[in-house]
Order: sequence, then C-alpha cells, then structure tokens
Amino acid sequence: NAGVTQTPKFQVLKTGQSMTLQCAQDMNHEYMSWYRQDPGMGLRLIHYSVGAGITDQGEVPNGYNVSRSTTEDFPLRLLSAAPSQTSVYFCASRDPGQGAYEQYFGPGTRLTVT
Amino acid sequence: AQSVTQLDSQVPVFEEAPVELRCNYSSSVSVYLFWYVQYPNQGLQLLLKYLSGSTLVKGINGFEAEFNKSQTSFHLRKPSVHISDTAEYFCAVSDHDTGGFKTIFGAGTRLFVKA
Repeated sequence: NAGVTQTPKFQVLKTGQSMTLQCAQDMNHEYMSWYRQDPGMGLRLIHYSVGAGITDQGEVPNGYNVSRSTTEDFPLRLLSAAPSQTSVYFCASRDPGQGAYEQYFGPGTRLTVT
Repeated sequence: AQSVTQLDSQVPVFEEAPVELRCNYSSSVSVYLFWYVQYPNQGLQLLLKYLSGSTLVKGINGFEAEFNKSQTSFHLRKPSVHISDTAEYFCAVSDHDTGGFKTIFGAGTRLFVKA
C-alpha cells in the first residue's frame, strides 16, 4: 500500500492564481481531512469528509474548496491564492470502522504564495 | 469546544537523558488522546493513543504517556532518548461526540537531542 499520497510536494503561486492540491489514499478509508501547518500553531483543520459526496468545514475553511467524488481522492482547491495561504498542507485519512481514531498522514505539500 | 496546550515549544536534552513533553487539554466531553511525531520534511506518524482503559499507554520507539483525567493532562515520556528522537511532537484530542473525526492539535514541541 502506498498509504496517503500528495502532489505536488512544492508549489509557488502568485497572488490571485488558483490551483488544486491532490490527495489520494489506497486504504479504503471513509474519513479524509485537510490540515495546514504553520509555525507555532500546530495543525489546523481546513475541510473534512466522512465519505464520498459528503464534506464539511473545519476550523479555517475560508479560501478553500473541496469535493469528494470517490473514496480514494480528496482534492483541495485554492480559489484565489493569497500570501496568508503560504503554509504546509497535509492530507490525512482514517478508517472509522476500526474504532482506532488515529489518522494516517501524507508527506505534505509546501506552498508559497508571492 | 476543545483545546490543547503543549506547555513547552522547545525541549533540548542530552542523549540518554530522560524527557517529558507536557500536554494539557480542555474538553466538556470524553476524549481520545494522541501523540504524533513529525520528523523533518515528513508527515505525522502516530506514536501512541489513549482511547479507554489503562491510563498508562505505551507506544513505539520506547515512548509512553499517562492520561490524568483530574489534571486533564497527557504527558509524553521516554526514560532515555536517542539522537534519532530529534523531531517535533504533537499532542492531539478528538472528542467522543463527533465520532473522533474532528481532531484538535497542539502547537507542537520541538525535541532536540544533543550528543
């Protein structure tokens, strides 16, 4: 199993550009989440999904969109990039059926907005 | 609402010394508690978790943590650290009511092990 994969690893955007961060998992996990990591702030939840076709907002959803058309994929879209979105983005998945509650994280995407 | 406070942003320690990384949480409902480790330029990996039962939880790489409900703490300990333990450590909490899918992370503690 590849686990949770994310692409790209690095990205530089100009203010106002849009892009999609890709996330895929091959563990058949129902739950998937997107976090951003900023120095001194830990990880903050952007959006999450409890299954295909079901998404909800997390702590810091503004400026981001998500959709979940398949169990495997959970892309994160930046609609109009701003310097405040410079961060490291992590995708995570979890199997709710296990009752274990731990999450599996991808390697991250480092995004810089100039 | 839940919150997690990691009391130390950085912890320098010499190799083979013991270490404790402190974590306090607040929640009005029962919680699940986790410690994750992040090595440089990598994603987070689970170290250990507390779901129920024994309050002393053992994890990977010789780490353990103790859940103290009265003090709302979940401190992480290791009796003898190695250089390879240098990493950032995150305490996290999920509440029972949301099925555990909303996880709140602390700000992280950077452990630096010196030779």
